[in-house]
Amino acid sequence: DAGVIQSPRHEVTEMGQEVTLRCKPISGHDYLFWYRQTMMRGLELLIYFNNNVPIDDSGMPEDRFSAKMPNASFSTLKIQPSEPRDSAVYFCASSLLAGGRDTQYFGPGTRLTVL
Amino acid sequence: GQNIDQPTEMTATEGAIVQINCTYQTSGFNGLFWYQQHAGEAPTFLSYNVLDGLEEKGRFSSFLSRSKGYSYLLLKELQMKDSASYLCAVRLYNNNDMRFGAGTRLTVKP
Repeated sequence: DAGVIQSPRHEVTEMGQEVTLRCKPISGHDYLFWYRQTMMRGLELLIYFNNNVPIDDSGMPEDRFSAKMPNASFSTLKIQPSEPRDSAVYFCASSLLAGGRDTQYFGPGTRLTVL
Repeated sequence: GQNIDQPTEMTATEGAIVQINCTYQTSGFNGLFWYQQHAGEAPTFLSYNVLDGLEEKGRFSSFLSRSKGYSYLLLKELQMKDSASYLCAVRLYNNNDMRFGAGTRLTVKP
């Protein structure tokens, strides 16, 4: 398997623009997670899905952020409008059924810079 | 809230042993994970503990005490390539919802 795939790897945009980040989880994984990582706040969970259904979005910072998972092989995280404070690395991760040693496998991340 | 605390930075010498501590206070507990993250890369899984005691895997070992809310990662025979951030993460419930500590940046010097 190719692992978790994210695109784009780097994104530079101007304040106020819409940004869409994409993720393809590992085939067969039931859980998908979106994280944001900054030097100040570390790795923060934004939202996660189970079988394409959002389970917990309490980590989404505000209404400018939205996430969808239209099918088992694709998810998007959208920021509209973007702000400079959204600059961070955004990771997508996926995992099998919960429990035991099942761990999350992370994608390579999208480095977002909002000017 | 969920609190997971680790030292921010540590430095050790090549060939030595280093212990990275993690303490946690969370609303639930269903396993503790350690991840390694090299600069500019994604976190990768290192170890998992759900019962008290020591889990050994090659040069890396991880210990857990649930009653104390405490874990440590032990790295032996340090190599330069072990310079990375080490993230402690707690799985809260039986749903793979994990919360991460801020990470400990380890620098291995010759």
